[in-house]
Amino acid sequence: DAGVTQSPTHLIKTRGQQVTLRCSPKSGHDTVSWYQQALGQGPQFIFQYYEEEERQRGNFPDRFSGHQFPNYSSELNVNALLLGDSALYLCASSPTGGNGEQFFGPGTRLTVL
Amino acid sequence: AQRVTQPEKLLSVFKGAPVELKCNYSYSGSPELFWYVQYSRQRLQLLLRHISRESIKGFTADLNKGETSFHLKKPFAQEEDSAMYYCALSGLGAAGNKLTFGGGTRVLVKP
Repeated sequence: DAGVTQSPTHLIKTRGQQVTLRCSPKSGHDTVSWYQQALGQGPQFIFQYYEEEERQRGNFPDRFSGHQFPNYSSELNVNALLLGDSALYLCASSPTGGNGEQFFGPGTRLTVL
Repeated sequence: AQRVTQPEKLLSVFKGAPVELKCNYSYSGSPELFWYVQYSRQRLQLLLRHISRESIKGFTADLNKGETSFHLKKPFAQEEDSAMYYCALSGLGAAGNKLTFGGGTRVLVKP
């Protein structure tokens, strides 16, 4: 099991563009959470997907949207990119009924110019 | 609202010295507290959780509900403990398990 995987590793976009980030959860995990980590800060919760529905959402604008597929993989979409969206985007997965631990992917580094 | 505060951005200690990373939280319900660690060029991973009350790699952390703290301690730091440490909080039993992270503390263990 490769654990949580994310693609792409790095991405450079310009202001106003749209971006899609992808995440495959650890085998056996059905819940996917997305976090944004700005430079020098801790990860900040964006939203969580379970059974293909958004279950929880953090304090992020509607420009941030997501999707979960039947195989539990997930996408994070960001529209109308701003310079402030530059960050490391982390995906984490966990199983229903687990002990609360979330398993993190390596992240996607997004740079908005 | 839930909030996690890690007052120290950087802790520098010598090998063999004790190290304590501070973490304070605010949460209106029953909290579940975690310490996550990120070693150089590795992904974020769980170090320990308060519910398990175990020692991992010599680290321990006790939840103090009166002081709303969950400080991480190790009596004798090793060079391999150099890493970024994040305290995180989740709602115990809450639907979903979103994590609220602190800003992180970088630990540097000098030889």
